Amino acid sequence: GESVGLHLPTLSVQEGDNSIINCAYSNSASDYFIWYKQESGKGPQFIIDIRSNMDKRQGQRVTVLLNKTVKHLSLQIAATQPGDSAVYFCAENMGGGADGLTFGKGTHLIIQP
Amino acid sequence: KAGVTQTPRYLIKTRGQQVTLSCSPISGHRSVSWYQQTPGQGLQFLFEYFSETQRNKGNFPGRFSGRQFSNSRSEMNVSTLELGDSALYLCASSLGTSGWGTQYFGPGTRLLVL
Repeated sequence: GESVGLHLPTLSVQEGDNSIINCAYSNSASDYFIWYKQESGKGPQFIIDIRSNMDKRQGQRVTVLLNKTVKHLSLQIAATQPGDSAVYFCAENMGGGADGLTFGKGTHLIIQP
Repeated sequence: KAGVTQTPRYLIKTRGQQVTLSCSPISGHRSVSWYQQTPGQGLQFLFEYFSETQRNKGNFPGRFSGRQFSNSRSEMNVSTLELGDSALYLCASSLGTSGWGTQYFGPGTRLLVL
């Protein structure tokens, strides 16, 4: 079935390095993508979003890249900090409507001191 | 501005019982969506309410239902609980006036069915 997936369940990076978390989606009708961060015991926290008419969007220390040709989404975190440790989910919304978000399984980002 | 709040935070029920969970959206947000999160299935969309009407529904059995009140607060109900209903139930709110609205999540209600 069509779903949003992630390439790696766990990603370990050194503090201060840049992190790249990847996501693949299969539904070409998806037109809105969001990255969420979920810390233990908390609900998902919005990080950044991007619409399908864009290729790149930058926030504070984060950048989302969208490659519609290969249906790939990535989240780049600059100068990773201990507080970045969490599970990261990509989510997609199809058709620009009120449909619920479809989430990937998540990538656990571990920061090594 | 206060975030999305959910009550209760933790709940223990036994099989066959029913449960009602509550969600208060961010002030001004008219859309409330519900999700179920489990280790095996991840985050799955249950349903979405906007202006007291269910606008969209995920692939869950009829035991899962919800409603929204005129102040945008929402409740979801699960009847005849099964062990597999044990999960973190998350509520998210958004402005809801267009499909591009970012959804902001509450802390969730952790339900354990024994």
